[in-house]
Amino acid sequence: DVKVTQSSRYLVKRTGEKVFLECVQDMDHENMFWYRQDPGLGLRLIYFSYDVKMKEKGDIPEGYSVSREKKERFSLILESASTNQTSMYLCASSFRHGTRGAWDQPQHFGDGTRLSIL
Amino acid sequence: QKEVEQNSGPLSVPEGAIASLNCTYSDRVSQSFFWYRQYSGKSPELIMSIYSNGDKEDGRFTAQLNKASQYVSLLIRDSQPSDSATYLCAVRGDSSYKLIFGSGTRLLVRP
Repeated sequence: DVKVTQSSRYLVKRTGEKVFLECVQDMDHENMFWYRQDPGLGLRLIYFSYDVKMKEKGDIPEGYSVSREKKERFSLILESASTNQTSMYLCASSFRHGTRGAWDQPQHFGDGTRLSIL
Repeated sequence: QKEVEQNSGPLSVPEGAIASLNCTYSDRVSQSFFWYRQYSGKSPELIMSIYSNGDKEDGRFTAQLNKASQYVSLLIRDSQPSDSATYLCAVRGDSSYKLIFGSGTRLLVRP
């Protein structure tokens, strides 16, 4: 079974802090993604990565950065946390290679981190 | 303009009935389609993927894809109260990487 592990289930931080959210997958997946999910807005893609040290912006990258130094780990960084970044953050991963196209394999999600910025 | 549409529900069905969840999408060249289940406060869990027109069955779940009508559905047979959740439809859109999620349909299975 695919296992995507997010470092914290719940996190409370203060405005202006630098916040790190960690995600580790154990299935040797090439693709990794960070989403946030908010009521009424659904799932929105923040950043994704298709290889070590590679990163691409998603739909809402402002205020965030990412790091992928190892294949299994993808970190999301809130450079200076603000209250509008209070949300559920979801990490996902998928295979890039195989019988389907690079982006056609299903994404598997971690348990999520509910982040509150006070 | 929303690219993946789902009725928000709630869709209420009695235990043992068939629940039918529907999803339409706007991108004609979409190739990959996924159904996820999300319990309240939890993360999405993959139920099924479908890539070709027709039906795909997995246990009590059947996904149906009609690319000509730009329509994908999920049938849940013998619905159980534990099936009560929000079901998200996801479609790989015209961008090379992007998975577009619908807003989800909330399903309630009454005991």
